[in-house]
Amino acid sequence: GAVVSQHPSRVICKSGTSVKIECRSLDFQATTMFWYRQFPKQSLMLMATSNEGSKATYEQGVEKDKFLINHASLTLSTLTVTSAHPEDSSFYICSAGTGQMAQHFGDGTRLSIL
Amino acid sequence: AQSVTQLDSQVPVFEEAPVELRCNYSSSVSVYLFWYVQYPNQGLQLLLKYLSGSTLVKGINGFEAEFNKSQTSFHLRKPSVHISDTAEYFCAVSVGAAGNKLTFGGGTRVLVKP
Repeated sequence: GAVVSQHPSRVICKSGTSVKIECRSLDFQATTMFWYRQFPKQSLMLMATSNEGSKATYEQGVEKDKFLINHASLTLSTLTVTSAHPEDSSFYICSAGTGQMAQHFGDGTRLSIL
Repeated sequence: AQSVTQLDSQVPVFEEAPVELRCNYSSSVSVYLFWYVQYPNQGLQLLLKYLSGSTLVKGINGFEAEFNKSQTSFHLRKPSVHISDTAEYFCAVSVGAAGNKLTFGGGTRVLVKP
């Protein structure tokens, strides 16, 4: 089945640091990748939709300057949390989809800002 | 816009007993329907999907779901659960294409007791 790899799985860093999270589709070309944020015991909240070669589409209330998304190829999208602060601590999950194929999810990144 | 409601936030169930997780959706257009499972500190794994055709869909790990258009429901069932089925389950819909943006329900936590 389709595999999506997300890296790193866990990050602990100091406030003010920028953190980059990678999402790769390993065995298919993902025309679209999605970035979600999940708070404890809650559902997934879509942050942005990333299409290869174009600017990401951000959901309402998500700061595009805080959460930079790059989708440079059909197999790689990155999310950079710039100047992270404790309130950015969360579980971030990416997914990849194409056409009529259901989205497949990465294993998530646990971000902890001290 | 679409919305998804999972009526039960938590479902305790004894091992080898059946379980049903309820999911209702609202949408002004046709939808594609999905059930995902999330184990602690992991991403989401696709259990099954309804794209078209037979309304009874069989998925992995012995799960099945039935699409009921008149009741706008897509309930998930398993006739006999195992301890390993303890997890969070999410119902989701997309429109236009199966790989498009997902709208998630709030999730149902299944706790299987010995």
